[in-house]
Amino acid sequence: AQSVTQPDIHITVSEGASLELRCNYSYGATPYLFWYVQSPGQGLQLLLKYFSGDTLVQGIKGFEAEFKRSQSSFNLRKPSVHWSDAAEYFCAVAPYGQNFVFGPGTRLSVLP
Amino acid sequence: EPEVTQTPSHQVTQMGQEVILRCVPISNHLYFYWYRQILGQKVEFLVSFYNNEISEKSEIFDDQFSVERPDGSNFTLKIRSTKLEDSAMYFCASSEEGGTQYFGPGTRLLVL
Repeated sequence: AQSVTQPDIHITVSEGASLELRCNYSYGATPYLFWYVQSPGQGLQLLLKYFSGDTLVQGIKGFEAEFKRSQSSFNLRKPSVHWSDAAEYFCAVAPYGQNFVFGPGTRLSVLP
Repeated sequence: EPEVTQTPSHQVTQMGQEVILRCVPISNHLYFYWYRQILGQKVEFLVSFYNNEISEKSEIFDDQFSVERPDGSNFTLKIRSTKLEDSAMYFCASSEEGGTQYFGPGTRLLVL
């Protein structure tokens, strides 16, 4: 069965610093890949997605993610973090658009 | 921009009572989903629905749960005889065929 791992449960960065959130998946073929963000008590907002093509995808709020087939990874990056980026980030995979499998999430804290 | 809406935003119920969570998917979407997120845990797939029938369900989705599309716009999740462990955030999502799933803001259910 497919699975998604996010090795970092909690990451703290200073405002203005760069950010990378890790995501690895286990699946026989390349699934659809997504990153969602969830602010406390809020719903899931789509940051970006990868279906095919260019392995570096741009998303909203200045986020980008790179798909690396050899590493089965889809890491999320942002060059300069803002205090408003503090939230929970979920990586998700959907094999050929089927039902999503979510990772456990990474909680991001931002220091002023 | 079209979005998925859910009502109510919060629901408190007594153990053993029935609750109905409502969702209005994006109007041209044909695939509908329910997910659950217990506090502090990852988002888990419950059920997918297409063409007026369940297309896939997880082991969480037992006989206590049912889904329905009572009219052309609503998609509901019914939980019969709620249990304490049903307390969670419930997310509805919708998609086009093989497309990105767009999530609603969630309904926070508290079973006392």
